[in-house]
Amino acid sequence: DAGVIQSPRHEVTEMGQEVTLRCKPISGHDYLFWYRQTMMRGLELLIYFNNNVPIDDSGMPEDRFSAKMPNASFSTLKIQPSEPRDSAVYFCASSRTGGFATDTQYFGPGTRLTVL
Amino acid sequence: EDKVVQSPLSLVVHEGDTVTLNCSYEVTNFRSLLWYKQEKKAPTFLFMLTSSGIEKKSGRLSSILDKKELSSILNITATQTGDSAIYLCAVPGGATNKLIFGTGTLLAVQP
Repeated sequence: DAGVIQSPRHEVTEMGQEVTLRCKPISGHDYLFWYRQTMMRGLELLIYFNNNVPIDDSGMPEDRFSAKMPNASFSTLKIQPSEPRDSAVYFCASSRTGGFATDTQYFGPGTRLTVL
Repeated sequence: EDKVVQSPLSLVVHEGDTVTLNCSYEVTNFRSLLWYKQEKKAPTFLFMLTSSGIEKKSGRLSSILDKKELSSILNITATQTGDSAIYLCAVPGGATNKLIFGTGTLLAVQP
């Protein structure tokens, strides 16, 4: 099992540029989660999908952020335009049954985003 | 608003010491509490505590859930340098039971 795969692992961009983060969940997992981690705010859930459908996007900070899951094996998180305050580590996670009470979420290695 | 608070924010101990990390929560409908360990990369799952499983143990790590006090502790005995990490506590909350994480406790174990 390859685990959750994220790309790129590191991204450095300039303010105003578009950034696209990618995630491939573990095969057979029906839930996919996007998190952001910063020193100030810790680990925050941005959005999660169940069977490719967005269920809760209340954590998406603003309209500059968007996420898609066109199929069961791929998801993207896009920031357009990017700002320095978006600098953080972005994690993707997946689970079989939601990871809430009977299952656990498996995290990818993260993408470290730096916006200059 | 549902929330999770961890303490202390950071902790420095020496090898062999015993540490206790704290997690308190406020959620409308409690289902479970999870502990994760995060070293240099992604968080990895440690324990899940529920109303029917309020105590878990794995080697030198153990965790207890106190539903009356709305809290949990994570104990690590005979600490080793490899225990150095951020320890995260999370509880399902909100309208969709998404995981709400505390800010974590940064543990540094010195030789």
